[in-house]
Amino acid sequence: EVQLVESGGGLVQPGGSLRLSCVASGFTFSNYDMHWVRQATGKSLDWVSGIGTADDTYYSGSVKGRFTISRENAKSSLFLQMNSLRAGDTAVYYCVRDGGLGSFDSWGQGIRVTVSS
Amino acid sequence: QSVLTQPPSVSAAPGQKVTISCSGSSSNIGTGSVSWYQQLPGTAPKVLIYDNNKRPSGIPDRFSGSKSGTSGTLGISGLQTGDEADYYCGTWDSSLSAVTFGGGTKLTVL
Repeated sequence: EVQLVESGGGLVQPGGSLRLSCVASGFTFSNYDMHWVRQATGKSLDWVSGIGTADDTYYSGSVKGRFTISRENAKSSLFLQMNSLRAGDTAVYYCVRDGGLGSFDSWGQGIRVTVSS
Repeated sequence: QSVLTQPPSVSAAPGQKVTISCSGSSSNIGTGSVSWYQQLPGTAPKVLIYDNNKRPSGIPDRFSGSKSGTSGTLGISGLQTGDEADYYCGTWDSSLSAVTFGGGTKLTVL
């Protein structure tokens, strides 16, 4: 069974930093592109960043230059380093597996990030 | 403001069929494929349709997808109360170089 478990969320002040982690199991992690998708309360899904199997990275315009996505295949782990956090970054962050052909086929349970003073 | 436009809400009676539209442009749906996700209250999204009309294993054939030009459509037949959820379309936008989702459609089964 595919499992994605996020950790590292919490309350942080504006301008602060957080590092999200996602541990994957039930599949060969290194064979898949991975993404972070967030969702503010009552809002739509918002793609944040993606990383390919060759460590190629992609970012939404709203986080480029502030967030860094990375992966450690030996530990089946995905990371999101978030710096210069803003109130608008407050959301539940999901770790997502890319099944190919545009299919985000497995989602973690989500981890809440709150940016507030 | 989402690049992909969905109706905020749709409703139908149990057993009926409903369709949800997703309108995009030549830089996203027009040149790519559409996926559809179901988000039940308090849970993570789940893929229902990918590559315009493909269903992952375990997704019943009550759910169908299609694409025409710059729009995609999700169809749900034989509606059940358990289908009440938010539905999102998604695709890659080549102008934004980003994955983009629609604003979501809330389905109510009356």
